[in-house]
Amino acid sequence: DQQVKQNSPSLSVQEGRISILNCDYTNSMFDYFLWYKKYPAEGPTFLISISSIKDKNEDGRFTVFLNKSAKHLSLHIVPSQPGDSAVYFCAASNSGTYKYIFGTGTRLKVLA
Amino acid sequence: GAVVSQHPSWVICKSGTSVKIECRSLDFQATTMFWYRQFPKQSLMLMATSNEGSKATYEQGVEKDKFLINHASLTLSTLTVTSAHPEDSSFYICSAPGGALVSGELFFGEGSRLTVL
Repeated sequence: DQQVKQNSPSLSVQEGRISILNCDYTNSMFDYFLWYKKYPAEGPTFLISISSIKDKNEDGRFTVFLNKSAKHLSLHIVPSQPGDSAVYFCAASNSGTYKYIFGTGTRLKVLA
Repeated sequence: GAVVSQHPSWVICKSGTSVKIECRSLDFQATTMFWYRQFPKQSLMLMATSNEGSKATYEQGVEKDKFLINHASLTLSTLTVTSAHPEDSSFYICSAPGGALVSGELFFGEGSRLTVL
């Protein structure tokens, strides 16, 4: 039972354009969400988070949107840069537990 | 920011041997750490929650006698893969909460790639 899903295994975007990565979850108890970026053979690095009391959080080129009714969140990267090419994971948890469930990841390729 | 370090980053062993992987929080104390494994092109699967001074909590389907976890101090958790077999070959990653509880951020180690021959 995959509680956190990223239905697009890969995405290619031209440099300078917007990248939109999507994530869906099934557990309505999840109330804290993270996005991580991962390069091969390395640990994930934190990008941005959002709690269920918000529907948007922005940090520089990265914005995360949360639609609780649809149990859907998305990560927007604008403008996309070649260095953004990596695998992106979304993760969800109940607040305070740190027991995150990760999605399957989306491989983003930003073309120069 | 908070740093979590794993060692070794790469290990090759023979089938039947045991391998220990260390996870250290370098500039903060972690009463809880998490161990994940990742197969190629798959998600990070939570294996267990390591608790300082008490027994680890294992996720369903993870053999506790196979994957021994010890969290003897506030900065060190170890994962020992006992009697390793080729199917245990994977990328093992640890993480620890580094920020305030409200931030919810997890800091990850660099990962350890285990290859069992």
